[in-house]
Amino acid sequence: GENVEQHPSTLSVQEGDSAVIKCTYSDSASNYFPWYKQELGKRPQLIIDIRSNVGEKKDQRIAVTLNKTAKHFSLHITETQPEDSAVYFCAAVRTGFGNEKLTFGTGTRLTIIP
Amino acid sequence: GAGVSQSPSNKVTEKGKDVELRCDPISGHTALYWYRQRLGQGLEFLIYFQGNSAPDKSGLPSDRFSAERTGESVSTLTIQRTQQEDSAVYLCASSRDRGPYNEQFFGPGTRLTVL
Repeated sequence: GENVEQHPSTLSVQEGDSAVIKCTYSDSASNYFPWYKQELGKRPQLIIDIRSNVGEKKDQRIAVTLNKTAKHFSLHITETQPEDSAVYFCAAVRTGFGNEKLTFGTGTRLTIIP
Repeated sequence: GAGVSQSPSNKVTEKGKDVELRCDPISGHTALYWYRQRLGQGLEFLIYFQGNSAPDKSGLPSDRFSAERTGESVSTLTIQRTQQEDSAVYLCASSRDRGPYNEQFFGPGTRLTVL
């Protein structure tokens, strides 16, 4: 089955600086990679996703890049703000064949230092 | 509209007891998922429902775990003879339709503590 590794487990950055979280996956057939944000005491929420037919996707201050050859994808947050403090989870899945199972990374706790 | 709701929010039980966790998905959402989140860990897939059927039960840790869904709505996750390692937050999510491209909306979770 799929295995997703996520690094770092914790990350602290100064407000205004950029943050990068990296994930690697094992199944070369995986083709969909969502990112979820979980603020303290709250439920996970989808923030951005990328499909394997593109290499990069941006949404305001967040972007995700995908390297299919190396089987890794990354979340980039620019101009970080205090409200970016949360745990971020990456996930991977091979769509189709009745497969619905997202495999999640272990999470990165991001702390923005004012 | 209303989001995914779960009950109870917290459950403390003694080892060996059975517990039942409830999930109310967003109205009209046909797909429903259960995950387990241990302290400091990621989300561990348990089971998925499409309508009232469960095509994928591959994540259930043991035969002590079971789940059902009725009326294409409410789902219950039952853990029999609870063990301390069952302590975790159990999250439910629903999506409009099957398929991972459909955004999963999560409930607030049930924090289960087995003493």
